[in-house]
Amino acid sequence: DSGVTQTPKHLITATGQRVTLRCSPRSGDLSVYWYQQSLDQGLQFLIQYYNGEERAKGNILERFSAQQFPDLHSELNLSSLELGDSALYFCASSVSAGASYEQYFGPGTRLTVT
Amino acid sequence: AQTVTQSQPEMSVQEAETVTLSCTYDTSESDYYLFWYKQPPSRQMILVIRQEAYKQQNATENRFSVNFQKAAKSFSLKISDSQLGDAAMYFCAYRSPIYGGSQGNLIFGKGTKLSVKP
Repeated sequence: DSGVTQTPKHLITATGQRVTLRCSPRSGDLSVYWYQQSLDQGLQFLIQYYNGEERAKGNILERFSAQQFPDLHSELNLSSLELGDSALYFCASSVSAGASYEQYFGPGTRLTVT
Repeated sequence: AQTVTQSQPEMSVQEAETVTLSCTYDTSESDYYLFWYKQPPSRQMILVIRQEAYKQQNATENRFSVNFQKAAKSFSLKISDSQLGDAAMYFCAYRSPIYGGSQGNLIFGKGTKLSVKP
């Protein structure tokens, strides 16, 4: 158990819908990362937050957005869902934003778009 | 942009034997971090081992060790005394110390699926 929690574990929804994925980092961790794992694209970095502020952006679609709240939990919002958005979404956390700090991954949320 | 390549989609090893998983990367940076992550059927991403590019000594964690060849941009993972629980997908990952855009975050290879035969 990494100490990072993600809810829900599984999510099934229809095309065009909007969903919210939630992540709670390890106690004391200030930085949160979101990754997408799909069969087509593999593991891709989406976005990073540090202490409530966006720090870095990766291959995140405009239909996707995220935020980190004052209690440091983070939410990833996916809207206008398409079949290709079906994937495993991971959240990871680290003590700080520096590259030397290890990232600890949550168990992931499996999103299925039908 | 940095890239990570794992040329072996699948590997197989006999229990108690040794297996080496290959990884190469492309970068123009001199300072960076390299990682191997394990993803068992549970889908949990588990950090196996890390290597700082400035360190010449190869990292070791129990039965797991790496062969880091900086000039060749190669970072292989050796698993000794393989156990059934080692069966998983293994991902090689690169991390730049530079912030901004997608830099400073993990860049993953496509993965190698390791099977362990009893």
